[in-house]
Amino acid sequence: AQKITQTQPGMFVQEKEAVTLDCTYDTSDPSYGLFWYKQPSSGEMIFLIYQGSYDQQNATEGRYSLNFQKARKSANLVISASQLGDSAMYFCALRDSGAGSYQLTFGKGTKLSVIP
Amino acid sequence: DTEVTQTPKHLVMGMTNKKSLKCEQHMGHRAMYWYKQKAKKPPELMFVYSYEKLSINESVPSRFSPECPNSSLLNLHLHALQPEDSALYLCASSRLLAGGENEQFFGPGTRLTVL
Repeated sequence: AQKITQTQPGMFVQEKEAVTLDCTYDTSDPSYGLFWYKQPSSGEMIFLIYQGSYDQQNATEGRYSLNFQKARKSANLVISASQLGDSAMYFCALRDSGAGSYQLTFGKGTKLSVIP
Repeated sequence: DTEVTQTPKHLVMGMTNKKSLKCEQHMGHRAMYWYKQKAKKPPELMFVYSYEKLSINESVPSRFSPECPNSSLLNLHLHALQPEDSALYLCASSRLLAGGENEQFFGPGTRLTVL
C-alpha cells in the first residue's frame, strides 16, 4: 500500500482564490511528521510547512495552512489568495520510523496551475 | 545563510566519462542527502550522510560514489553512467538525521544528461 497518496495529478485555480491540495497517508507509527514541498519548473524543492502527529493545532505559514485530520489520516494543504508564482508541482511527504526516521516518503505530486 | 548550493546546474556526459556533482551548505547541518528525480516523478533517496559518515545507501549502483569530505560538502562521483541515469539530482541537508520537525532543505539540483 502506498504510504502517501495525492489523488490530484493536476489542479487549476483562479488568481486570488484559495485552493486545497489533497494528501492522505498510511502509517501505524504514533510519531510521524508530514511535510509539504513546492517544486517550480526550475527544480528546487522548497519547504512550505510541517505538521507533527502530536501537534494540537493545524500548522500555518503565511498563505499556507495545513488541514490536518488525524483520524482520517489526511493532511491537505490550503493555499489562500493564490498568486501566479504559486504555479508549481507540490509534494506531500511523510516521515515515520517505518523507513528509518531520516527518510521522507513522497507522494506523486500535484501540479498546480494558477490562471490570471 | 539558509541555502544549499549545487554545481553544476547542468551536466552532459558520455557513458565513459567521469564527472562529479558538488553540494555545499553552511547552515551547520549534520545530515546530508542525495536524491534522484526522474521527470514527473517524486524524488528517490540515494544516500544519507550523518556526521560525515555514510548512513544509508539505498541499493544504488556502484557507478555512483558519494563522498563527504567535511561537514559542509557533499560530492557525488559519477563513472560509466547509463542513459537511464539521466535525471535531476537533488542534494538536501537537515539539522540532524532524525526526529521532530527537522525539515530537509534542498538545493536547486543538477540536471544530468547521459549520452
